[in-house]
Amino acid sequence: DAMVIQNPRYQVTQFGKPVTLSCSQTLNHNVMYWYQQKSSQAPKLLFHYYDKDFNNEADTPDNFQSRRPNTSFCFLDIRSPGLGDAAMYLCATSIRAQETQYFGPGTRLLVL
Amino acid sequence: LAKTTQPISMDSYEGQEVNITCSHNNIATNDYITWYQQFPSQGPRFIIQGYKTKVTNEVASLFIPADRKSSTLSLPRVSLSDTAVYYCLVGLAPGSARQLTFGSGTQLTVLP
Repeated sequence: DAMVIQNPRYQVTQFGKPVTLSCSQTLNHNVMYWYQQKSSQAPKLLFHYYDKDFNNEADTPDNFQSRRPNTSFCFLDIRSPGLGDAAMYLCATSIRAQETQYFGPGTRLLVL
Repeated sequence: LAKTTQPISMDSYEGQEVNITCSHNNIATNDYITWYQQFPSQGPRFIIQGYKTKVTNEVASLFIPADRKSSTLSLPRVSLSDTAVYYCLVGLAPGSARQLTFGSGTQLTVLP
């Protein structure tokens, strides 16, 4: 089945140690998004790619970076995770920016 | 960005119809209204989208008055498995680069 896949589902890292979260999609959608969701809060958009065009939200910390090497894959890099970065990270895709978003199951990040 | 306001929580009993209302007073002319459902430890899932009047699918109905300053998600005959957080989003503007902003969401609890 076509879907959005996130690996790993759970990630533990140490304070300050770089970590990369992965997202892949079999939907062949043009747009890929990364959201951060903290406990009992709504998802917060970090950035998105429209094809190869990167769009950063104004309040996304510089500590967060993203790469999209091809249509199917997108990565979230956290260069120096802090305790406040512990959250669920959600990847989503859509055919175009105005279309319905399809979310992956998320990666829960724990920072020790 | 159009801001949305929803009740923080609602309780219902199995078999009842549930109506969740969302206020979006500064909705733009081209904005669409979209509802997502999110279960714990999962990504949000698209429920329904509309622009005006009424939209119905196999899961829910969406009622939008003429002024479009609010919308109501209607879930017929809810079951325990409908317990989730429901998000109302405004801002899918066709042709626009604007992205979605999740509001605080409504925690629906269905009781036996």
